[in-house]
Formats: sequence, C-alpha cells, structure tokens
Amino acid sequence: EIVMTQSPATLSVSPGQRVTLSCRANQSVNSYLAWYQQKPGQAPRLLIYGASTRATGVPARLSGSGSGAEFTLTISSLQSEDFAVYYCQQYNSWPLTFGQGTKLEI
Amino acid sequence: QVQLVQSGGEVKKPGASVKVSCKTSGYIFATYGISWVRQAPGQRLEWMGWISGHNGNTNYAQKFQGRVVLTTDTSTATAYMELRGLRSDDTAVYYCGRVGSGYDPLYRWGQGTLVTVSS
Repeated sequence: EIVMTQSPATLSVSPGQRVTLSCRANQSVNSYLAWYQQKPGQAPRLLIYGASTRATGVPARLSGSGSGAEFTLTISSLQSEDFAVYYCQQYNSWPLTFGQGTKLEI
Repeated sequence: QVQLVQSGGEVKKPGASVKVSCKTSGYIFATYGISWVRQAPGQRLEWMGWISGHNGNTNYAQKFQGRVVLTTDTSTATAYMELRGLRSDDTAVYYCGRVGSGYDPLYRWGQGTLVTVSS
C-alpha cells in the first residue's frame, strides 16, 4: 500500500497570502495524484487531477505540480472560501490512498 | 447535471450489516464506475473499493475484503455498498463517488451517509 504524507498538518494564513501545501508518497505514483478540498459538513470536492490539471470550475489561483513522489498544491492569493482541509490522493495503484490532510486556518 | 444522492443516516448494533445506496443521475451510468470512500471521525479518507457501472466488476481494499459487497442496479442507476459484521470503529461517513475507471480520482461525490455503530 502506498502511504501518502502531507505537510504541514495545519497552516495559519491570512487572506491574500500565497501558500504551498506538500504531499509525498513513499513510492512513485507517476502523475496519478489528485487534490481535494473539504469544508466542514461537506463532501470533498475534486480540485486537481493528473497532478496539475484543474477540475471544472476550479479557479486559476489554484495550481498543482510535481511527479513521481513529490507534489505541491499552490494557492496564489488566498480567498475566504479557500479556508478548508485539503487532501491528496494517489490513484496509481490499488488500494487508492489519501494523505492525512492539511488544514488552512485564518 | 451530474448528481449522486445517498441514502440517509443509519444507527446499527455491533455485528449487524448496513446497506447504503447511491442514486445517480445526469449521466450514462454504464459508462462510469463508482468508488466508495469512508471517513471516520478525525481520520483521513479511506478508499473501500470500486465497482464498474458497465459490467459490475469490483475491486475491494484488502482491509475490507470479505466484509464489504458493492453492487449496482443499472435499471435505476443506483450503486450500493453493504458492510457486514459492523464494529464500533466502522462508525464513519460513507461516500460514493463517480469515477472513470478503478484507477481514477473521484470526480463527483455524493453528500455522504453517516453510519453509527453503537450498542
């Protein structure tokens, strides 16, 4: 099973700031990496797939990069609606696995 | 538009079974699959398995092998997840999600179903 590790666990930031979230796999997942956003009481929402492709409706201030075992999600200028928990997921091999999440808080 | 609507919350006793439904609309059911993911309180998301909307092929996470059964009803475009032998640590929100294949992210999600296991 591929283990996904995200850092940091929590990030305290201010609106307008640029932030970078990290996700690391314990073996290569090629570019089969997705990012999700989850707000309290809601289901996760797909943001990025294929490591860098934005899902429909995702604003351009969110971008993903990386390949192999190291990935990042960057938000160029934080908006109020971006404060949430972010998860990465590998879908290179079964079982599909998720990171433990990074919480963005004000 | 694509929608996945799950059944309501359940309270079960240890040892019982639960069956959660995921009714889909807005797309051709047979051209996509459904993955199931759960989230226990304070825990990370956990993938349980996948079922093809085309032919019913399945793949289960080893952790749930023998306890989970995924099925579909193509006539109603509905997917089902049955979990047997419930334990207290199965208390979680269970989500269904539309995927292209078994090796895909979850493009669209259901709203989630809280299953509580308590004596």
